[in-house]
Amino acid sequence: GQQLNQSPQSMFIQEGEDVSMNCTSSSIFNTWLWYKQEPGEGPVLLIALYKAGELTSNGRLTAQFGITRKDSFLNISASIPSDVGIYFCAGNNAGNNRKLIWGLGTSLAVNP
Amino acid sequence: SAVISQKPSRDICQRGTSLTIQCQVDSQVTMMFWYRQQPGQSLTLIATANQGSEATYESGFVIDKFPISRPNLTFSTLTVSNMSPEDSSIYLCSVGGGQSNQPQHFGDGTRLSIL
Repeated sequence: GQQLNQSPQSMFIQEGEDVSMNCTSSSIFNTWLWYKQEPGEGPVLLIALYKAGELTSNGRLTAQFGITRKDSFLNISASIPSDVGIYFCAGNNAGNNRKLIWGLGTSLAVNP
Repeated sequence: SAVISQKPSRDICQRGTSLTIQCQVDSQVTMMFWYRQQPGQSLTLIATANQGSEATYESGFVIDKFPISRPNLTFSTLTVSNMSPEDSSIYLCSVGGGQSNQPQHFGDGTRLSIL
């Protein structure tokens, strides 16, 4: 099935560094979602975006809905060890009964 | 957001057997979904569990292998039938994504290993 292009695939950074990851799609989306998954848990919603150009923050996390509606990015500022996990983007358009299309994930490791 | 409980949290099963996974939500929800997440992979939608009617399966998934029940607006089950080692995965239940465009929220998943 369709998947989003999510990059980078993995990142290994020092505590305190900023992180940026992004997702692109070949088709237009109405919704972009960013999730974080830690070992032994299900994905947890971080940020939901519903409008082209929308920029939304959740603590140290900031995400934007691309103006073309075909991309989104997630930034994490001043990373800390508990930011470790896999970050997934997901999106959908209203025409497919709310079915989410998923990225392959960005694995983040933070060196204290 | 809704609190989603999945049971069992993990299991180890013999090939050829079947396992039923339960998903309980603490509030009524319109849409419930079942996903599979193979080791180190992203999420793949198995089916949408429809209350009062048959589930809607995605390409590559069939009712005989993954029968789903949705008896009411707070509960659903997914059965993994006639299991083989290839069925070893995390199975996740999610809710949301209905007419109000609510984002999906997930349970903690069931970690299934087939010997």
